[in-house]
Parts: sequence; structure tokens; C-alpha cells
Amino acid sequence: DAGVTQSPTHLIKTRGQQVTLRCSPKSGHDTVSWYQQALGQGPQFIFQYYEEEERQRGNFPDRFSGHQFPNYSSELNVNALLLGDSALYLCASSLGTGYNTEAFFGQGTRLTVV
Amino acid sequence: QQQVKQSPQSLIVQKGGISIINCAYENTAFDYFPWYQQFPGKGPALLIAIRPDVSEKKEGRFTISFNKSAKQFSLHIMDSQPGDSATYFCAASMNTGFQKLVFGTGTRLLVSP
Repeated sequence: DAGVTQSPTHLIKTRGQQVTLRCSPKSGHDTVSWYQQALGQGPQFIFQYYEEEERQRGNFPDRFSGHQFPNYSSELNVNALLLGDSALYLCASSLGTGYNTEAFFGQGTRLTVV
Repeated sequence: QQQVKQSPQSLIVQKGGISIINCAYENTAFDYFPWYQQFPGKGPALLIAIRPDVSEKKEGRFTISFNKSAKQFSLHIMDSQPGDSATYFCAASMNTGFQKLVFGTGTRLLVSP
């Protein structure tokens, strides 16, 4: 079992550009959540996808958008990148959307905006 | 108030000692409290979790103590080992039908040999 896999592992983008991050959930999982982890901070919830729809969203602007595919994999898109978007982006998968289901995290994508 | 406050920010413990990390919350709607362990370059991994109807939960060397009236919970690592050196996050989630984890700011634990 490969667990949650994210790609790419590292990425450098220029301010104003757009970026797409990818996530494959753990085998058998149908729910994907995205988190942003700034350096030295705890992860912050961006949004959650289930049945190819955004089910819940954290306090992030519309520049952050996502998608879930029929095979449960997911993408996170960030438009008009700002320097403050530099962070580790984590994908978490779970079986179902229950508030107390175990969330398995990937190793993250380190995004640097210059 | 959807915050979880975590302390200390960093902790140094000798091998064999007890590591204690504390968290506090305000929102009584929080109903699930997991602890995550994160090694450098890795994503967080679930260690142990507790519901507010339980005052203590133990798994191996890891114990969560929960004080519902004080709205505080803590992680105790018994017989701390150098391999436990990592960053630990407490988190909380409300029973809204969907999981949205609210994380603390993390505690960097160093267990000296």
C-alpha cells in the first residue's frame, strides 16, 4: 500500500503565476482534504472533497480551488500566487467524511513563491 | 473561537523521561481530539485520539489525558526515546458531518540520549 502520494515534492514559482498540486489518496479512501502548513506552524484546513464535490472550505480566498476525479485523486490549484503562499501543502485522505475518521497525510508539496 | 492553543513550543527531555505537551481550546463544539507526530520532510501521522466522554486513553507509551471542564488535554510520552524526537501537534474537530481538523501550533520535542 503506497499510502497518500503527492506530486511534485518541491516546486518554485514566481509571484503571479498559477500552480497545480496533485494527490493520490490511500487505496480504498474516497475523501481528500488539503491543508497548508506555513513554516513553524500547524496545518490549516483549505477544503475537503468527497464525491467529486467541495464539501467544506476553510478560510482561504477563491484563488485556492480544487478538483476531485472519479478515481478519488485530487488537485489543488492556486492562482495569482503571492509570496505568502509559500508553504508545505499537505493532502490527507480518509474513508468517508466523518469528523472522527482517521486522516492519513502525504509527505506534502513544498511550494516556494519568489 | 476555533483555535487550539499548544504549549510548550519546544521541549528537551532526557532519554527515559516523561514528555508532556499541553493543549487548550475554547469551542465546546469540538468533539474529537487527535494527536499527530511529524518528522522532518514527512506529513503528520496520527498517534492517538480521544473523545470528550473519556478522561484518559493509553496506547503503548503514549497517553492522552482529557479535562472536559477545563477544556484542556495533554499528551504524555512515557520512557521517551531519541526516536520520539519530532514535532507533535494536537488537533480538534467538530461533529459537523465533515472532518475539518484545527491544529495547534506544534511542539518540537528533542529527546537527548
